[in-house]
Amino acid sequence: SAVISQKPSRDICQRGTSLTIQCQVDSQVTMMFWYRQQPGQSLTLIATANQGSEATYESGFVIDKFPISRPNLTFSTLTVSNMSPEDSSIYLCSVHLAGVVYNEQFFGPGTRLTVL
Amino acid sequence: AQRVTQPEKLLSVFKGAPVELKCNYSYSGSPELFWYVQYSRQRLQLLLRHISRESIKGFTADLNKGETSFHLKKPFAQEEDSAMYYCALSGQGAQKLVFGQGTRLTINP
Repeated sequence: SAVISQKPSRDICQRGTSLTIQCQVDSQVTMMFWYRQQPGQSLTLIATANQGSEATYESGFVIDKFPISRPNLTFSTLTVSNMSPEDSSIYLCSVHLAGVVYNEQFFGPGTRLTVL
Repeated sequence: AQRVTQPEKLLSVFKGAPVELKCNYSYSGSPELFWYVQYSRQRLQLLLRHISRESIKGFTADLNKGETSFHLKKPFAQEEDSAMYYCALSGQGAQKLVFGQGTRLTINP
């Protein structure tokens, strides 16, 4: 299994500012994922972060708005830039681990962001 | 396009009653289907996956390719089953997940 921590756990921010969310994993992983869960909505994949390469963004998400860093195999950051109230969401990171029989995806506890 | 639909946002049953959480999917190839669960104040975690054909905490789910469904079932609900349940899909060999809207299951005593 994987233990994933995120910082901060929650934050309240003013519109127009930026927030960087950190994700730390207790083992080395190739791929890390960032998801967004807007109020009352499901989880939506923002981007896939590979170590040593540019993140791959899903349709509707762009690097200028959600820049991602992946400096090593255990850490990643997601920045929510120039925030607006519509960015109020829970942001989750996850990792995919290969198991002996099956692969499994593990999730962090999430970062609850409120933009005023 | 990949899509997962959970038609029930809320489901409430009495303890000891059978439970069925519905999930339908849309995918052009051979998907992998999962059920994830989030208990109160806990993080999202995998409950079961279709390829393992396991029963976890009394829950089972059968992939029906003809009906493109992956409904989650339990014959006798328990209070500790109260949680948010998400059905999810990944493409064969892919790692990223597409989630349904989620169903909040409440088991009444």
